[in-house]
Amino acid sequence: KAGVTQTPRYLIKTRGQQVTLSCSPISGHRSVSWYQQTPGQGLQFLFEYFSETQRNKGNFPGRFSGRQFSNSRSEMNVSTLELGDSALYLCASSSKLVTPNEQFFGPGTRLTVL
Amino acid sequence: AQTVTQSQPEMSVQEAETVTLSCTYDTSESNYYLFWYKQPPSRQMILVIRQEAYKQQNATENRFSVNFQKAAKSFSLKISDSQLGDTAMYFCAFMNLPQKLVFGQGTRLTINP
Repeated sequence: KAGVTQTPRYLIKTRGQQVTLSCSPISGHRSVSWYQQTPGQGLQFLFEYFSETQRNKGNFPGRFSGRQFSNSRSEMNVSTLELGDSALYLCASSSKLVTPNEQFFGPGTRLTVL
Repeated sequence: AQTVTQSQPEMSVQEAETVTLSCTYDTSESNYYLFWYKQPPSRQMILVIRQEAYKQQNATENRFSVNFQKAAKSFSLKISDSQLGDTAMYFCAFMNLPQKLVFGQGTRLTINP
């Protein structure tokens, strides 16, 4: 079974631009969570989607948004990029039916904001 | 809010030795899950071991085992017969809300030949 995939793997943007990151979960997984990883703040939860609905949200400004499609693929959007948004963005998927509460992570998207 | 603390930023041991990574957490919840994740230089986050809070028995996965002390809110990871491939960042994580992991700051573990 294919793992969680994230595209693109690397991205360079400039301040003020917006960016969209994509995550394809493991087949059959309906929950997708997003995390931001930075050297200073560590790993922080952004939000989680299940069946196209956002169930949980972390403490991030409204510039960070996401959505999930009917095939469970998820996208994360960051508008008006700031230097501090430079980070590794990880997505994880899970299946309540198979291994409850166990998340499988993708390889991440490395975003650099110049 | 739940917090997870890893007090050892870095550790280094020789190959084949046993090493223990510490983790404490703070929560008022009674039902939750605890995890140890490994992040090697490739940055791929890999689940090492998980523990359900309602289970008294400590989880074990091959060379990896935990010491779960619920009253003390402590969740340490023991790696036996350490191998070079164990070199990585190790994160302790807590979950009570569905699919929302709260991570510690991590411990950088280096296994030396």
